[in-house]
Amino acid sequence: NAGVTQTPKFQVLKTGQSMTLQCAQDMNHNSMYWYRQDPGMGLRLIYYSASEGTTDKGEVPNGYNVSRLNKREFSLRLESAAPSQTSVYFCASSGTVQETQYFGPGTRLLVL
Amino acid sequence: AQSVTQLDSQVPVFEEAPVELRCNYSSSVSVYLFWYVQYPNQGLQLLLKYLSGSTLVKGINGFEAEFNKSQTSFHLRKPSVHISDTAEYFCAVIHGSGNTGKLIFGQGTTLQVKP
Repeated sequence: NAGVTQTPKFQVLKTGQSMTLQCAQDMNHNSMYWYRQDPGMGLRLIYYSASEGTTDKGEVPNGYNVSRLNKREFSLRLESAAPSQTSVYFCASSGTVQETQYFGPGTRLLVL
Repeated sequence: AQSVTQLDSQVPVFEEAPVELRCNYSSSVSVYLFWYVQYPNQGLQLLLKYLSGSTLVKGINGFEAEFNKSQTSFHLRKPSVHISDTAEYFCAVIHGSGNTGKLIFGQGTTLQVKP
C-alpha cells in the first residue's frame, strides 16, 4: 500500500516549457487535490477533484490545468512554465471531501 | 474570506520543555480542524483532527489540541518536546457551511527544539 505517489520528485524547466506532474493513490479515495507550497505562505490549493469526472478551481489556478484520468490518477499540467511557478507541489487524496487528506512526498519544480 | 492564522512563524524551545503552537480561524457555522506536521523534505502527515464531540483532541507523538469555539482557536500543545519534534506545523480548516472539502492552511509554524 504505497498511499499517494508523485512523479517526478524534482524537475528543472526553462521558461515557456511545458510539463505534467503525475499523482496516483491506491486508497480508493474519491477526492484528490493539488497544492503548491511556498515559503511563508503555507499550502495553497490549485485544483481539486471531489469525485471522478469532476474538477474545480482552487485558490491559485492560473497557469495550470488538471486531468482526473480515472479514480486513481490526477495530473497537473503547466502549459508554459514561468519562474513564478517555482515551488513544491503536493498531491493529496481523501475518501470524501470532509475526511482527512493524505499527502504525497511532493515534487520540487524549478523554473529558470 | 475564510482564513487561518498561525500566530508564530517560529517557536524555539529547549528539549523536554512544554510547547504551544497557536492557531486561530475565521468564524463559521461549523468547522473541521486539523494539525499537520511536515518533517524536512517530506510531505505532510496528520497529527490530529477535530470533527465534533470532545473539544480536547489527542493525536500522535503526544500532541493534543483544544477546540475553543468562543475564541475561534485550535492551539496545539505538547507537555515535553523531543529533538525529533523539530519540524514545520500547519493548522488547517474546512468550513462546514457550503463545504466543498477545501482545506485552508495557515502559514505554518517552525518548531525548533534545542538540546
